[in-house]
Amino acid sequence: DAKTTQPTSMDCAEGRAANLPCNHSTISGNEYVYWYRQIHSQGPQYIIHGLKNNETNEMASLIITEDRKSSTLILPHATLRDTAVYYCIVRVASGSARQLTFGSGTQLTVLP
Amino acid sequence: DSGVTQTPKHLITATGQRVTLRCSPRSGDLSVYWYQQSLDQGLQFLIQYYNGEERAKGNILERFSAQQFPDLHSELNLSSLELGDSALYFCASSTGGAGSPLHFGNGTRLTVT
Repeated sequence: DAKTTQPTSMDCAEGRAANLPCNHSTISGNEYVYWYRQIHSQGPQYIIHGLKNNETNEMASLIITEDRKSSTLILPHATLRDTAVYYCIVRVASGSARQLTFGSGTQLTVLP
Repeated sequence: DSGVTQTPKHLITATGQRVTLRCSPRSGDLSVYWYQQSLDQGLQFLIQYYNGEERAKGNILERFSAQQFPDLHSELNLSSLELGDSALYFCASSTGGAGSPLHFGNGTRLTVT
């Protein structure tokens, strides 16, 4: 699975959009991009994933560049409850879903 | 709520003992994954089962074992416990289909004294 690079930490003002970048320059054509978050000591929470196209759900939007070498997770209106560690993970799509490998992630702090 | 249920939520035991952690996957999910998260480390993948069969192994110690039963629930057995085994243990499940995301439970916090 391709390696990802994320900033160690970011701050965002409450009510503003939080844009979390992720670099995955070695991604291959059959690898998905997944985003998870972990609020202190809770289980990682699935947010969104995508292969090539931009994706949106009730939680967030995922913007993947045309060359697929980077992506951005967008939380449109950040709240204090969005403070968490956010993980960007790349994984091969296979017939038998494989495990996710978590890195260090980005600590997002939403400020009042 | 992810739909993945883990029991117990907390477990305190002594060194040398054996414990069993239980996981019920989301309805319809065939794959179960176990992860360990220690205080000073990230999430470490331990093992994966798919429809009752072991599918992948990660950094799982020989003192640890797991299985997935016909009803698809899974158990992680930890034996000869050491202080360093104190950690959060998470279970996740997925449908097993290509690209399917994992959904995590809220974990079992194990404290070895």
